[in-house]
Amino acid sequence: DVKVTQSSRYLVKRTGEKVFLECVQDMDHENMFWYRQDPGLGLRLIYFSYDVKMKEKGDIPEGYSVSREKKERFSLILESASTNQTSMYLCASSLGQANSPLHFGNGTRLTVT
Amino acid sequence: GESVGLHLPTLSVQEGDNSIINCAYSNSASDYFIWYKQESGKGPQFIIDIRSNMDKRQGQRVTVLLNKTVKHLSLQIAATQPGDSAVYFCAERTDGNKLVFGAGTILRVKS
Repeated sequence: DVKVTQSSRYLVKRTGEKVFLECVQDMDHENMFWYRQDPGLGLRLIYFSYDVKMKEKGDIPEGYSVSREKKERFSLILESASTNQTSMYLCASSLGQANSPLHFGNGTRLTVT
Repeated sequence: GESVGLHLPTLSVQEGDNSIINCAYSNSASDYFIWYKQESGKGPQFIIDIRSNMDKRQGQRVTVLLNKTVKHLSLQIAATQPGDSAVYFCAERTDGNKLVFGAGTILRVKS
């Protein structure tokens, strides 16, 4: 089974802090994604990556950046956390071929106070 | 714009009955659709997918139906069990590997 591991289940940070969310997958998937999930809004794509050192903006990239230095690891960075970034963050990965389903981690619930 | 919506935010069914969860999509160019199940405290779990050149696909106790004419997707769960209680999301692939998700439907199974 594909395993997507997010390093933290819960995080509490203060406004203005720099926050790193880490994600690792063990199936040699080419594609990796970061979503945020908010009640009533579903999952919204923040950033994604097709390959090492490559990144593409999703639908809501403002206030975020990403890093993919190794194929198995995709990091989401909040340069200066704000309260409106309090959310559930979900990492996912998939094979590079078309029509491959995403496999998700269990999420990191971030609270910014 | 592109969007994926759900008709019913909450569905309650009796254990053993069949469940049908509906989803409307707006982008006629979408060519791939997926259903996910999300249990409390967990990430979304892949259930079943279907390509736009098909109108029906069956899995274990689940069937996905695609009606491209009316841009409608449904997930049917046979003999619903308490373990099926979760939030169900449909998603459409509109551009490369990007998925657009609906807001979700809560399925509650009554014993």
